[in-house]
Amino acid sequence: SYELTQPPSVSVSPGQTARITCSGDALPKQYAYWYQQKPGQAPVLVIYKDSERPSGIPERFSGSSSGTTVTLTISGVQAEDEADYYCQSADSSGTYPNWVFGGGTKLTVL
Amino acid sequence: EVQLVQSGAEVKKPGESLKISCKGSGYSFTSYWIGWVRQMPGKGLEWMGIIYPGDSDTRYSPSFQGQVTISADKSISTAYLQWSSLKASDTAMYYCARVTAWFDPWGQGTLVTVSS
Repeated sequence: SYELTQPPSVSVSPGQTARITCSGDALPKQYAYWYQQKPGQAPVLVIYKDSERPSGIPERFSGSSSGTTVTLTISGVQAEDEADYYCQSADSSGTYPNWVFGGGTKLTVL
Repeated sequence: EVQLVQSGAEVKKPGESLKISCKGSGYSFTSYWIGWVRQMPGKGLEWMGIIYPGDSDTRYSPSFQGQVTISADKSISTAYLQWSSLKASDTAMYYCARVTAWFDPWGQGTLVTVSS
């Protein structure tokens, strides 16, 4: 089955840049999406179609894609950005698409 | 404002049945897929399945096929996730979300606890 691979954890100091990667064989052909989940809350979409930012999401959140890896970049990290981040894509190799989530990355702001 | 509101937390015993709900508002409920996502305690997100309320076309993740049933009542803009016989391993938070190719917005989640 199709998998998306993320690092379990990333740590940065306030004001620095955090980069969270997500790898998957189908990513050159499928868009990736990113979600932020804070403790006790539902996930929130922060990036769609690899690099588009929904309205209301701060400009410090950006996304990029290169080959089989997509990256969520948070510039000028703030304490409020501490959360779990999940990538998501779709596996369209079967009759119907299967939506797939990465295992999640815990971002710690030191 | 597009909003999904889920039913409240449930505590059940193994072997019992359960149906939880997700009510959409602020958009055309019949024009978008609704997806269900499981999050077990301390774990990540798992896609379970989706339904198109317009015609009830339903698709399941292979991991959840046969384990749950997804349905919808478009007359009241509500989607459902149900179990016929719960197991302790079904203990989790369950989220619904409006799905295009991405999941947005999400409901607030329904915590299901299965314990004897």
